Amino acid sequence: SAVISQKPSRDICQRGTSLTIQCQVDSQVTMMFWYRQQPGQSLTLIATANQGSEATYESGFVIDKFPISRPNLTFSTLTVSNMSPEDSSIYLCSVEGGLNTEAFFGQGTRLTVV
Amino acid sequence: KNEVEQSPQNLTAQEGEFITINCSYSVGISALHWLQQHPGGGIVSLFMLSSGKKKHGRLIATINIQEKHSSLHITASHPRDSAVYICAGDGGSQGNLIFGKGTKLSVKP
Repeated sequence: SAVISQKPSRDICQRGTSLTIQCQVDSQVTMMFWYRQQPGQSLTLIATANQGSEATYESGFVIDKFPISRPNLTFSTLTVSNMSPEDSSIYLCSVEGGLNTEAFFGQGTRLTVV
Repeated sequence: KNEVEQSPQNLTAQEGEFITINCSYSVGISALHWLQQHPGGGIVSLFMLSSGKKKHGRLIATINIQEKHSSLHITASHPRDSAVYICAGDGGSQGNLIFGKGTKLSVKP
């Protein structure tokens, strides 16, 4: 199993600013996933973060807007840059144990951009 | 593209009722996860299934591989079961999960 500490849990930010979300895992994991959940919607993958390499972004998400760091096997950050109200969402990090194993999630960051 | 479809979108029940939430998925998915999301946004894993049936307390999850269908059942529902229940399949191109839209369950006392 894995326990993920994600912070902040929520924030209200001014448009044009940036927010960095942190996830700390209590064990070493190869892959970490960052998801966005817009209001009333399902979770959408932003990118996959592997230690020692650049993050792999899904279509519609770019590094300039959502830079990700993965300095070691237990930690990752996602930055939401130059925020606009459309970025208001819940952001979640996740680790999955591999094929046919349980998934674990951070507590989520509820972001409101005003 | 792998997909997961979930129904119903919203569900209201009286305390004590038996509840069923359904999930259908596409060919490229080999394991199905049932997750619970509370209002704060955090997600807890309930079950991971690749075959058969699993039970934990009042929660039961089943999967039919041939029909590519899974169900989550809650027996003797209680107001504390009120949450969003999400099914997710493991068929993402990056090893990620693909999520259904969720079922918002409200159990009234």
